[in-house]
Amino acid sequence: QQQVKQSPQSLIVQKGGISIINCAYENTAFDYFPWYQQFPGKGPALLIAIRPDVSEKKEGRFTISFNKSAKQFSLHIMDSQPGDSATYFCAAQQTGANNLFFGTGTRLTVIP
Amino acid sequence: DAGVIQSPRHEVTEMGQEVTLRCKPISGHDYLFWYRQTMMRGLELLIYFNNNVPIDDSGMPEDRFSAKMPNASFSTLKIQPSEPRDSAVYFCASSSRQGLFYNSPLHFGNGTRLTVT
Repeated sequence: QQQVKQSPQSLIVQKGGISIINCAYENTAFDYFPWYQQFPGKGPALLIAIRPDVSEKKEGRFTISFNKSAKQFSLHIMDSQPGDSATYFCAAQQTGANNLFFGTGTRLTVIP
Repeated sequence: DAGVIQSPRHEVTEMGQEVTLRCKPISGHDYLFWYRQTMMRGLELLIYFNNNVPIDDSGMPEDRFSAKMPNASFSTLKIQPSEPRDSAVYFCASSSRQGLFYNSPLHFGNGTRLTVT
């Protein structure tokens, strides 16, 4: 049973465009939602994270939007660059617990 | 800080053989996690340790899989006997202590790509 559902599976965006990746969860106990970025041949690395007490968090070109009532959150990459081409994983965790539940990943390709 | 170190980077073996994957976590981290990554299922948690003690192994797919952490700086994941369906990328990750109001990020190694023929 997938605790976090992620879409799309793959995404192709033109350079300068906006990349949007969506995730949904069911467990209302989750209160920490990180995004991990993975380049080929590397392990995932934390990109940005949000808690449900805010609806949006922005770090540079990366923004997480969070909708607590809908139990959905999304990653927006503004002005997408070829260097952003990677696989992105959303995840969810209950603070104090140790399991981090990952989505299935989105492979982003930014075309020059 | 060298990060989480995994070895080997690639492993090709024949069905039925024993496979041992190795991991050195970041010094000072007291949580260690083993994940498996496949196209179909994404990142799956296999097992995690706290202070070298296995806490949750419910993700270990079968008795063919076993993991140990003999000390704070070393862990192994063993598959015996290996099967073609075990082919995947296996990641080790470590983190510092989780708290009631704190989430520590996972630091992943670069993984071991296992191919069982």
